[in-house]
Amino acid sequence: SQTIHQWPATLVQPVGSPLSLECTVEGTSNPNLYWYRQAAGRGLQLLFYSVGIGQISSEVPQNLSASRPQDRQFILSSKKLLLSDSGFYLCAWTRRGLNLPLHFGNGTRLTVT
Amino acid sequence: AQKITQTQPGMFVQEKEAVTLDCTYDTSDQSYGLFWYKQPSSGEMIFLIYQGSYDEQNATEGRYSLNFQKARKSANLVISASQLGDSAMYFCAMREGQDTSYGKLTFGQGTILTVHP
Repeated sequence: SQTIHQWPATLVQPVGSPLSLECTVEGTSNPNLYWYRQAAGRGLQLLFYSVGIGQISSEVPQNLSASRPQDRQFILSSKKLLLSDSGFYLCAWTRRGLNLPLHFGNGTRLTVT
Repeated sequence: AQKITQTQPGMFVQEKEAVTLDCTYDTSDQSYGLFWYKQPSSGEMIFLIYQGSYDEQNATEGRYSLNFQKARKSANLVISASQLGDSAMYFCAMREGQDTSYGKLTFGQGTILTVHP
């Protein structure tokens, strides 16, 4: 069966510090991968998605970047965090198909102080 | 324009009763899929149910059913026989046919459901 791992679960970082969140998927190959962000009590905003190694699409211009160095690894980064980067970050994967749901990791709660 | 609209920020229901969570969507694609997710306070996202635009019958999964009204562009989630464990945030999401290969979902703002004993 497929599983998705996302870490860390919580993170407190000062403004101006770098960020690296990692997500890996097991049990499948060539998945589509996604990073979403959720502000407190709000909906999910798609940040980046990837359909293959090295292929990154950005949905929202911002202070963040994403990379996919390996087939089942997706990394979210920032060189200098802003207060507005605080939120709940969720990684997800899916196979291609109109009816196939996204499968989410457990999320990372990021607080920028 | 919002692609997914959930107009109920919060809903309350008595245990064992049924509740309907509203969702309307906006797309010009003829082919699309609609999804509902549950997010407990722990933050995990749990997939509940799927409805395709060409499905002739309303989707059902256990106590969850979807009231799909294509002409009105609505896809309301019905939870029957509510349980205390149903208390959570619920999200409606859509995948447009043009995005099938990309797979991305657009989410609504969510509805917080509270089940009272």
